[in-house]
Amino acid sequence: GENVEQHPSTLSVQEGDSAVIKCTYSDSASNYFPWYKQELGKRPQLIIDIRSNVGEKKDQRIAVTLNKTAKHFSLHITETQPEDSAVYFCAATTSGGSYIPTFGRGTSLIVHP
Amino acid sequence: SAVISQKPSRDICQRGTSLTIQCQVDSQVTMMFWYRQQPGQSLTLIATANQGSEATYESGFVIDKFPISRPNLTFSTLTVSNMSPEDSSIYLCSADPLSGARETQYFGPGTRLLVL
Repeated sequence: GENVEQHPSTLSVQEGDSAVIKCTYSDSASNYFPWYKQELGKRPQLIIDIRSNVGEKKDQRIAVTLNKTAKHFSLHITETQPEDSAVYFCAATTSGGSYIPTFGRGTSLIVHP
Repeated sequence: SAVISQKPSRDICQRGTSLTIQCQVDSQVTMMFWYRQQPGQSLTLIATANQGSEATYESGFVIDKFPISRPNLTFSTLTVSNMSPEDSSIYLCSADPLSGARETQYFGPGTRLLVL
């Protein structure tokens, strides 16, 4: 089955800095990669996703890049703000299969004012 | 996107008892899922709730412990049976939309369970 590794487990940055979270996956059939943000005590919420037919996707201060050959994808947050503090989960899914994502272990991002 | 609600939001239960968690979606969805999230951990899939048939359980989870119902395309229940303190966790349901990006899952707010 699919295996998703996520690093780092904890990331501490100063407000205004950039943050990068990296994930690798093992199943070359995976073709959909969502990122979820989970604030303390809240539900995971989809913030951005990317499909295997594109290499990069941006939405304001967040971007995701995908390297299919190397089987890794990354979340980039620029100009971080204290409200970006949360746990971020990457996931890998196979479209047309079970549609069940395999989640990474999560990264706790702390943005210091 | 689908709007998902769960009841109860939290509960404190005695060991040996059972708790049924309800999940309601505001629109019809194809698949509904139940996850467990231990504090500070990732999401672990318990089972896929299939409409009109038995749930599909992941390795390590069994129907006797976590019976699931899915009577229609908008509702599902998860029962945590014969609870022990090890069952203390957050239980989340999720669903994928009936149309659009089926791979995208939307989560309910979760049920925080504490077993004494």
